[in-house]
Amino acid sequence: EPEVTQTPSHQVTQMGQEVILRCVPISNHLYFYWYRQILGQKVEFLVSFYNNEISEKSEIFDDQFSVERPDGSNFTLKIRSTKLEDSAMYFCASNFLNTEAFFGQGTRLTVV
Amino acid sequence: EDQVTQSPEALRLQEGESSSLNCSYTVSGLRGLFWYRQDPGKGPEFLFTLYSAGEEKEKERLKATLTKKESFLHITAPKPEDSATYLCAVQARGYNQGGKLIFGQGTELSVKP
Repeated sequence: EPEVTQTPSHQVTQMGQEVILRCVPISNHLYFYWYRQILGQKVEFLVSFYNNEISEKSEIFDDQFSVERPDGSNFTLKIRSTKLEDSAMYFCASNFLNTEAFFGQGTRLTVV
Repeated sequence: EDQVTQSPEALRLQEGESSSLNCSYTVSGLRGLFWYRQDPGKGPEFLFTLYSAGEEKEKERLKATLTKKESFLHITAPKPEDSATYLCAVQARGYNQGGKLIFGQGTELSVKP
């Protein structure tokens, strides 16, 4: 069964460092997303990506965040200068047109 | 503002004790309402999509229903393996056919043998 794959599963980084979270969406999907979940809180939308550009982003997705689809399979989220409050689970998701989104298992980001 | 509220926050059941989880929503034109299951430390796992009031979907011991203001997830004769957090999310109509999901805070279900 096709699935969304995320790497790494856990990343520890120092405050101010750059991190890149990686995702391989399901191969025939057209829309790609990043969500985050701070411990004990709701899953929050960050950004959606379609046709090689951002289609929507939330207020959380400020200038320190960027996304990229560097090739035909990978989808990345870059955080330029991490803050303590960026510590969270980050989920990648993908879907086809007007269908349910499938989520990866997440990357736990810990900023120290 | 689009919003999703789930209740209760936590629910403890005995094995075989049926119950319902509630998801109330306000959205500027509903495209779809989604139920997901989330196990600790894992990503949300898709369960159901509902598109219009009156629609029902079933899968094993779970049944989801939808009205114009809320959705229910009914669990019939639950087993310990049904223990998880159940997330409700809505997708609003808009120009973007993909569509972000707006999640509720979830209901943490615990089923004791």
